[in-house]
Amino acid sequence: LAKTTQPISMDSYEGQEVNITCSHNNIATNDYITWYQQFPSQGPRFIIQGYKTKVTNEVASLFIPADRKSSTLSLPRVSLSDTAVYYCLVGDRSGGYQKVTFGIGTKLQVIP
Amino acid sequence: GAVVSQHPSRVICKSGTSVKIECRSLDFQATTMFWYRQFPKKSLMLMATSNEGSKATYEQGVEKDKFLINHASLTLSTLTVTSAHPEDSSFYICSAREQGAVNYGYTFGSGTRLTVV
Repeated sequence: LAKTTQPISMDSYEGQEVNITCSHNNIATNDYITWYQQFPSQGPRFIIQGYKTKVTNEVASLFIPADRKSSTLSLPRVSLSDTAVYYCLVGDRSGGYQKVTFGIGTKLQVIP
Repeated sequence: GAVVSQHPSRVICKSGTSVKIECRSLDFQATTMFWYRQFPKKSLMLMATSNEGSKATYEQGVEKDKFLINHASLTLSTLTVTSAHPEDSSFYICSAREQGAVNYGYTFGSGTRLTVV
């Protein structure tokens, strides 16, 4: 499983766009990049997943450069409710049930 | 979307007793589920992989006899913390992935806060 590195914490004001970058230098050809959000005392929640270039859904965008050694989660116009820990995970989704291991995550604090 | 239900959400037990935590996939079948524990302000630590109809696979350092896992059906896995002690107090979370799901993401339960007194 590719190891990931993220900033430990970030602060942002309400209404701003937040970009959280994750490094995964050893990503394998079959690996996908998945981001999860976790609020205190809750299980992680799936946000977005991608393989290359750009993926966008109703809550976030995921930017992946051509070499795929990093990825950036972009949260548009954050609100106080976006204060949470964000985890970047890398793994093979092609088949089987690969165990999912978490890094330290990035604690995002949104400031009024 | 896929839903994983975890019960109870919170439990307090006396030292030396056992506690069972249930993890159910509500609208899909899961031959494999995962159990994590999380200490305050820390990341999730994978404890074991629960396999339907066979023995669980434990991560290094996790006591098999302390944390009993049973995955008797395609929608239910249970984690039993045996002879619990205060150091077992933690947040336990299960997860499963719906085979063939569009996003191939893992769905997590809401977690169980265990406090051993």
